[in-house]
Amino acid sequence: QSVLTQPPSASGTPGQRVTISCSGTSSNIGSNYVYWYQQFPGTAPKLLIYRNNQRPSGVPDRFSGSKSGTSASLAISGLRSEDEADYYCAAWDDSLSGVVFGGGTKLTVL
Amino acid sequence: EVLLVESGGGLVQPGGSLRLSCAASGFTFSSYWMCWVRQAPGRGLEWVANIKQDGSEKYYVDSVKGRLTISRDNAKNSLYLQMNSLRADDTAVYYCATGQLAPYSWGQGTLVTVSS
Repeated sequence: QSVLTQPPSASGTPGQRVTISCSGTSSNIGSNYVYWYQQFPGTAPKLLIYRNNQRPSGVPDRFSGSKSGTSASLAISGLRSEDEADYYCAAWDDSLSGVVFGGGTKLTVL
Repeated sequence: EVLLVESGGGLVQPGGSLRLSCAASGFTFSSYWMCWVRQAPGRGLEWVANIKQDGSEKYYVDSVKGRLTISRDNAKNSLYLQMNSLRADDTAVYYCATGQLAPYSWGQGTLVTVSS
C-alpha cells in the first residue's frame, strides 16, 4: 500500500490530453514539492517534473505538473504512442522523514 | 553529463550480506545528497535511504533500518549500500540517484536476488 495514491491505469488516444492524479496528505504533498517520473519497461526511471511544475531540460512542454493542497496532477497533452509508460509521483514526507512514492500509473495509448 | 553506475548485485541467500556500489561522474559528487531507490520485480518504486553531502545525516525507510547502511566516499566519488540480514522481500533492482527530497538523476540499477 503506497503512501501516495495514483490510479493504476490511464489511457488516451493520440493527440488527446490525459491527466494522472496523485493524492497525499498534509505531511507529504501538502507541505513539500511533488516530483513525477516516467519509466519504460526494463529501464531506469527518468525525472519528468520537479518542484511541482518544473521541467528538466529536454522534457517536452507537452508534460506539465500542478499541485493543489494535498493533491497533484501530471498532464500530458498531444498524446503520442511513445508516451506509453509507467508514471510515478513522489514527495518528501515530514512525518516519515523519507521520500514516498505513488504506486504508479500505467499509461496506455490506444 | 551525470553518470551513475551501480555494481555489486547478485544472488544471495536469506540472512546473507551484500555491498552495492555506485560510481559517480560528470558532476561534483561531494556537493550532492545521494540516495538509493529500489524496485521489486513487477512492483513500484520504493525509496530506501539518503545521505547528506558530508555523510553527517542519513535517513532510511523503516523496513530497512538496522539492516541496510548507506555510506559514501567523496574522495572516490562513490556511494555504497551495505546490506545485511537480507530477506526475500529485499529482492529488487537497486538504483542510486542524486537528490535529497526526491531522486533526480538515476543510474541503470543493479539486481539483488535473495533466495535459497
